Amino acid sequence: GQNIDQPTEMTATEGAIVQINCTYQTSGFNGLFWYQQHAGEAPTFLSYNVLDGLEEKGRFSSFLSRSKGYSYLLLKELQMKDSASYLCAVRDGNAGNMLTFGGGTRLMVKP
Amino acid sequence: EAGVVQSPRYKIIEKKQPVAFWCNPISGHNTLYWYRQNLGQGPELLIRYENEEAVDDSQLPKDRFSAERLKGVDSTLKIQPAELGDSAVYLCASSSRGAQYEQYFGPGTRLTVT
Repeated sequence: GQNIDQPTEMTATEGAIVQINCTYQTSGFNGLFWYQQHAGEAPTFLSYNVLDGLEEKGRFSSFLSRSKGYSYLLLKELQMKDSASYLCAVRDGNAGNMLTFGGGTRLMVKP
Repeated sequence: EAGVVQSPRYKIIEKKQPVAFWCNPISGHNTLYWYRQNLGQGPELLIRYENEEAVDDSQLPKDRFSAERLKGVDSTLKIQPAELGDSAVYLCASSSRGAQYEQYFGPGTRLTVT
């Protein structure tokens, strides 16, 4: 099985930087994903990490350390529209590459 | 390109009634997933299809839930009879073979059982 932990809620100020952490335990790690989900909408893909290191994509970056079972999503130059839930998901190669999601971190961006 | 289409978007039923959800994946996507998402939680996989074959349905409550994907395109998820605890958002997602790292989600069906 898998255990994925991320903070339930975070608050940050417009224009600032916020880091959302995710820790996981899995027997067959085969990739970690971050999804953004606005209230009442579908999750949308943000980033994918399978090797250690930082993946940068515009204002969003995602980091992975497989030895520590740890990832973070970094959001820079926060905008009000970034207020959403951010879901960490781990793919298990020992379970048919099934994707298991964490509970999500609800980010509130304030002016 | 059209995204994953789901209907209905909202459904309110009384307990013990049946309900069905429909999903049309992105054209050409062989893999289709049904997830259930409870309020404030992440999606939980119910069933995964590769073409018309269900390859992972271990999380599907088979006493009341059923799913089918005839012809390997559209899919239907059914609950009969519904229980109060089934109230949730039911999400459909699809991915293309060889690119299973990225799943595209539909808008979901919000089910309320009263």
